[in-house]
Amino acid sequence: RKEVEQDPGPFNVPEGATVAFNCTYSNSASQSFFWYRQDCRKEPKLLMSVYSSGNEDGRFTAQLNRASQYISLLIRDSKLSDSATYLCVVNKGNQGGKLIFGQGTELSVKP
Amino acid sequence: EPEVTQTPSHQVTQMGQEVILRCVPISNHLYFYWYRQILGQKVEFLVSFYNNEISEKSEIFDDQFSVERPDGSNFTLKIRSTKLEDSAMYFCASSEYLAGAPGELFFGEGSRLTVL
Repeated sequence: RKEVEQDPGPFNVPEGATVAFNCTYSNSASQSFFWYRQDCRKEPKLLMSVYSSGNEDGRFTAQLNRASQYISLLIRDSKLSDSATYLCVVNKGNQGGKLIFGQGTELSVKP
Repeated sequence: EPEVTQTPSHQVTQMGQEVILRCVPISNHLYFYWYRQILGQKVEFLVSFYNNEISEKSEIFDDQFSVERPDGSNFTLKIRSTKLEDSAMYFCASSEYLAGAPGELFFGEGSRLTVL
C-alpha cells in the first residue's frame, strides 16, 4: 500500500462547481496532515493544514478521519485560478521532519 | 514577504560531474530540507537538517549526496558524481518549526538539474 494515495486525476470541472479530493495514508503514527497546491512546474505551497475536527478556509474545507486514515479536501464555487495539482501531505510520525507527499490530483477548472 | 531562494534555477551537467545546489532559507527558520521531484512524479523527501546536522535522510540520500550549511545563510546540496537518474527538480525548504508541527514548510522555486 502506498504511504499516501490520492484520487487519480485529472478532474475537469466548470467554474462554480464543487469538487472533492480524497486521500488515504498508511502510517497510523502520522500526526500532521496538510493539503499543498502545486502549479505547473512550480514549488508546492501550503493550502491548509488539516485538523481532527475539520477546518474551513473560505471556499476550502478539509476533513480528517483518523480511524479510516482518510483525508479530504472540498472546494466550493471553483474558480479558474483553482486550476492546479493538489497534494495530500502527511508527516512520517517521528521527529525527523519528513513529509510524505501523495502523487497529487490535477484540477482543471474551465469557463 | 520573506522567501526561500535557490540557485541555479537550471543546471545542465554531464554524468559523473559534481553539482552543488544552493539555497538561502528564510532567515529566522531553524529547520532546512531538500526534496526532489522527477518530472511527472511525486515530491520526494531527501534530507532534513537542524542544528548543523542531519535529522533524517531518505534511502535516496546515499553517499553521493551531502548537505552543508557553510555559513549563517546558505544551505547547500552536493551531488558528488551525478547519474542520469538524478535529473529532477530539487526543492529547498525551510520551516520555523519541525515539519509536521504547527507551521508550514516554505519551498524555494526549485533548481532543475539535467544530467546528460
